[in-house]
Amino acid sequence: QVQLQESGPGLVKPSETLSLTCTVSGGSINIYYWNWIRQPPGKGLEWIGYIYYSGSTNYNPSLKSRVTISVDTSKNQFSLKLSSVTAADTAVYYCARGEKYYHDSSGYVPFDYWGQGILVTVSS
Amino acid sequence: QVVLTQSPSASASLGASVKLTCTLSSGHSSYAIAWHQQQPEKGPRYLMKLNSDGSHSKGDGIPDRFSGSSSGAERYLTISSLQSEDEADYYCQTWATASGVFGGGTKLTVL
Repeated sequence: QVQLQESGPGLVKPSETLSLTCTVSGGSINIYYWNWIRQPPGKGLEWIGYIYYSGSTNYNPSLKSRVTISVDTSKNQFSLKLSSVTAADTAVYYCARGEKYYHDSSGYVPFDYWGQGILVTVSS
Repeated sequence: QVVLTQSPSASASLGASVKLTCTLSSGHSSYAIAWHQQQPEKGPRYLMKLNSDGSHSKGDGIPDRFSGSSSGAERYLTISSLQSEDEADYYCQTWATASGVFGGGTKLTVL
């Protein structure tokens, strides 16, 4: 059974960089799309970005200038860095696996396994 | 860019059935989506992927009470024989231009 586990500091100061790691167990990190998603308190889900196992990435345009996602296939881990954080970045951060499939010649990536989430608070 | 629209809330009685809707924006009626459930104070759980023709495939351990269907630009999640643990937020999700997209979520109350 595939499991994902987020780890990192639960408190980050304004203007600093938020750093989280997702460890994947029970399966290989190869072939899949590895995503970060966040959820501000009382709000909905926001996709942050993904990294493919090969290293290609794409980010939410609203966060693109501040986000970096990287992967370490030897450790079955991938990581998120979000720079210059403010209180608006306070949220539960989730990592999730995506497996691409094709229907009517179009590709889709449903998120089929999720981590339990980690609350990150931005405060001085 | 594709937009997914969900009603903010829904309610149904214990033991009854409920049908939740996710509507794809104009020009995107052929898109497939996924449904996710988020119980209170928990992380999301993948329920199923749902194609435009109504074919769907559920995640590991998802009960038969959960099913999906499609009509035009609408994607449905039907939950039958509602149980108290079905009270949760339900999100639809798709993939477009190499990006994840979520609907705003529907909060389901089981009466």
